[in-house]
Amino acid sequence: NAGVTQTPKFQVLKTGQSMTLQCAQDMNHEYMSWYRQDPGMGLRLIHYSVGAGITDQGEVPNGYNVSRSTTEDFPLRLLSAAPSQTSVYFCASRSNYEQYFGPGTRLTVT
Amino acid sequence: GDSVTQMEGPVTLSEEAFLTINCTYTATGYPSLFWYVQYPGEGLQLLLKATKADDKGSNKGFEATYRKETTSFHLEKGSVQVSDSAVYFCALSSGAGSYQLTFGKGTKLSVIP
Repeated sequence: NAGVTQTPKFQVLKTGQSMTLQCAQDMNHEYMSWYRQDPGMGLRLIHYSVGAGITDQGEVPNGYNVSRSTTEDFPLRLLSAAPSQTSVYFCASRSNYEQYFGPGTRLTVT
Repeated sequence: GDSVTQMEGPVTLSEEAFLTINCTYTATGYPSLFWYVQYPGEGLQLLLKATKADDKGSNKGFEATYRKETTSFHLEKGSVQVSDSAVYFCALSSGAGSYQLTFGKGTKLSVIP
């Protein structure tokens, strides 16, 4: 049972490049979400999904796209990276009242 | 909207000292309350939770009581250890069926020997 996995662990992008952050869970949870963590800001919700085929925006969705074709996977896409997207990104899945977080992806945009 | 306010850090304590990290919230309905802990270089882990007023969550020597009258959920530990050094986040989930978490900004705790 791997829980929530994220790849890559670290990534450096140039402004304007695109990339996909991968997230997978093996707990059969319907609810998954993406957060970004910035110093002094706590965690802010980017997008979430309540099941395959269903996604919605969180607090800070601009510049990010998501899709949910399977229960297991919930990738986060940056279409044109900007320095303001430099952050640590956490994926989470949830069952009942507990969220399980992945180890995070540290992204730097230069 | 929902919000969580927790005390600013960083907090530095000597080993075996008493810890309190204050957390207050604003929410509609009857939220569930959580404390998460993030050790260096890792993701967040659930430390404890309380789902209704007057509930006390506890784990690993940490405790927090859901106080509806003061809208608070303060984290306490009687005797901290060096291994407790981490960032602590207070969070809420508002209302039955709500899966979204609203987080405080986090409080960094350093415990020195």
